[in-house]
Amino acid sequence: NAGVTQTPKFRILKIGQSMTLQCTQDMNHNYMYWYRQDPGMGLKLIYYSVGAGITDKGEVPNGYNVSRSTTEDFPLRLELAAPSQTSVYFCASSRVDGNQPQHFGDGTRLSIL
Amino acid sequence: DAKTTQPNSMESNEEEPVHLPCNHSTISGTDYIHWYRQLPSQGPEYVIHGLTSNVNNRMASLAIAEDRKSSTLILHRATLRDAAVYYCILRDPQTGANNLFFGTGTRLTVIP
Repeated sequence: NAGVTQTPKFRILKIGQSMTLQCTQDMNHNYMYWYRQDPGMGLKLIYYSVGAGITDKGEVPNGYNVSRSTTEDFPLRLELAAPSQTSVYFCASSRVDGNQPQHFGDGTRLSIL
Repeated sequence: DAKTTQPNSMESNEEEPVHLPCNHSTISGTDYIHWYRQLPSQGPEYVIHGLTSNVNNRMASLAIAEDRKSSTLILHRATLRDAAVYYCILRDPQTGANNLFFGTGTRLTVIP
């Protein structure tokens, strides 16, 4: 069972470059999420989606964009990368019921130099 | 979402029980108590959740105080694999999109 798959696992960007972090899930979950985790901190929600074509901002959306064209995929786009975006990024998915657990990927470790 | 308070770190000897506390004095009547853990270099994984009654599953037990202002995650026999950061999170299933708000959690160290 693949679950939630994130690519790439590691990436180094230069300031001002852009990139897309990929996330796909094979559990047919309607809800998907992007979090970032800075060293020694808990996860913070960047964007989330309740279904294909529907996205909404979380706590820390500035500097990021998302799209949700299919149930399976939820890519996160960084435009004009900045050092403050150096972090570990986690994608997650869940079923609709509010008490269903979220399933997380293994993360993408991103460094902006 | 209401806030939770957890100790920054705890230690346990291997094969002994571990009690991880969480205070949530501002919990509302519709908030469920969720626990996740994050092993080193991995994404968080769900552990357990409950509303009022104590809950058990294959990973852990959750003991909830009668006034619901605190709860305790119980690992019955700690193993080295249980070394992780444990997050206590309140979640109202009637609001939002199942969003989770993570604090800094409790870092559990298991001593061989």
